[in-house]
Amino acid sequence: TAGITQAPTSQILAAGRSMTLRCTQDMRHNAMYWYRQDLGLGLRLIHYSNTAGTTGKGEVPDGYSVSRANTDDFPLTLASAVPSQTSVYFCASSPSSGEGDEQFFGPGTRLTVL
Amino acid sequence: GQNIDQPTEMTATEGAIVQINCTYQTSGFNGLFWYQQHAGEAPTFLSYNVLDGLEEKGRFSSFLSRSKGYSYLLLKELQMKDSASYLCAVKDSNYQLIWGAGTKLIIKP
Repeated sequence: TAGITQAPTSQILAAGRSMTLRCTQDMRHNAMYWYRQDLGLGLRLIHYSNTAGTTGKGEVPDGYSVSRANTDDFPLTLASAVPSQTSVYFCASSPSSGEGDEQFFGPGTRLTVL
Repeated sequence: GQNIDQPTEMTATEGAIVQINCTYQTSGFNGLFWYQQHAGEAPTFLSYNVLDGLEEKGRFSSFLSRSKGYSYLLLKELQMKDSASYLCAVKDSNYQLIWGAGTKLIIKP
């Protein structure tokens, strides 16, 4: 079972360019999340989706957009990248957004914006 | 504001016991999670507490006191493979996880 996959594994991007980070899960989970992880900081939620067709803003949504056209896929787009978006990006999913549901994480995408 | 505090780094000896503390102040509480993250890898789920008390799972146990806004993760019979960061996270009133910065645990032989 693949679980949750992300692509690319890593990327170097010129400032001002756009990019889409891909995330796919095969667990039929309703809820999906995008986080960024920076040294010395906790994971910070960028956007989330509680079910296909709906999305919401997390703690740090500026500069990012998402879509959830179906259950499996949850792409994250940077419309015009800036150096402060250099980070490791993790996609996660959970059966629901409910109380006890643990989140399962993809392997991450390491993004460098120059 | 919402805040999760845990020590930045801890060192312990192989075979010993270590306790990693986490204190939290969040808008609402819908459970506390502990995750393990090895360097360069994704976080993986360790434990979940929503009621006060101790949850035991093999060598790992997690404790919660909601009145004190406090949890700890207890690791027994430490092994070298336990060298990792341990992340504490609280599900808030919006059912979103608020994460601590993580505790890097170094195990020495």
